[in-house]
Amino acid sequence: EVQLVESGGGLVQPGGSLRLSCAASGFTFGSHVMTWVRQAPGKGLEWVASMSGRGGKPYYADSVKGRFTVSRDNSQNTLYLEMNTVRGEDMAVYYCAKDWQQLEAWGQGTLVTVSS
Amino acid sequence: SYELTQPPSVSVSPGQTASITCSGDRLGDKYICWYQQKSGQSPVLVIFQDRKRPSGIPERFSGSNSGNTATLTISGTQAVDEADYYCQAWDSSTVVFGGGTKLTVL
Repeated sequence: EVQLVESGGGLVQPGGSLRLSCAASGFTFGSHVMTWVRQAPGKGLEWVASMSGRGGKPYYADSVKGRFTVSRDNSQNTLYLEMNTVRGEDMAVYYCAKDWQQLEAWGQGTLVTVSS
Repeated sequence: SYELTQPPSVSVSPGQTASITCSGDRLGDKYICWYQQKSGQSPVLVIFQDRKRPSGIPERFSGSNSGNTATLTISGTQAVDEADYYCQAWDSSTVVFGGGTKLTVL
């Protein structure tokens, strides 16, 4: 059974940094693209970033390009999202998901709150 | 950038058929998938590659995609189907979501 467990969310000040993690199990992690999607309170889904499997090539939404960095450790079956220069509009539940042409499985999400 | 447009809301009576549309330029040339998100829960994939159902998704969920419009159809809609539904396409190495449709089962 595929399981994705996000962690690392919490309160961050505007301009601050935060690192999210996503622990994966139940599938061959290194063979799959992994994706971060966020959902602001009361809003729809927004793609944030994806990273290819073994090659590790990153892809970013324009809204986070240059501020967020996606990475992965295939030996630990873990996906990361480094969030820098955080803004108010980054406040959301962040989900990790398996693949990207269709997001076959999702984690439970981790909440990032931006406030001074 | 590519955009997908969904109606904000759709209402349906129990047992009737609900249709939720998703429109985009030449959408029929791309694969579309659909997610169901119930209140307070993570999204769940219900249709992929336009019309395929993942294991465990009821047969009452079906999809189509042609021209500029994709449609998610729920036949014999049940109260448990009340949720937000999102379409999604993949374009030029980006993931694109529609704005979401709130399905109300009256």
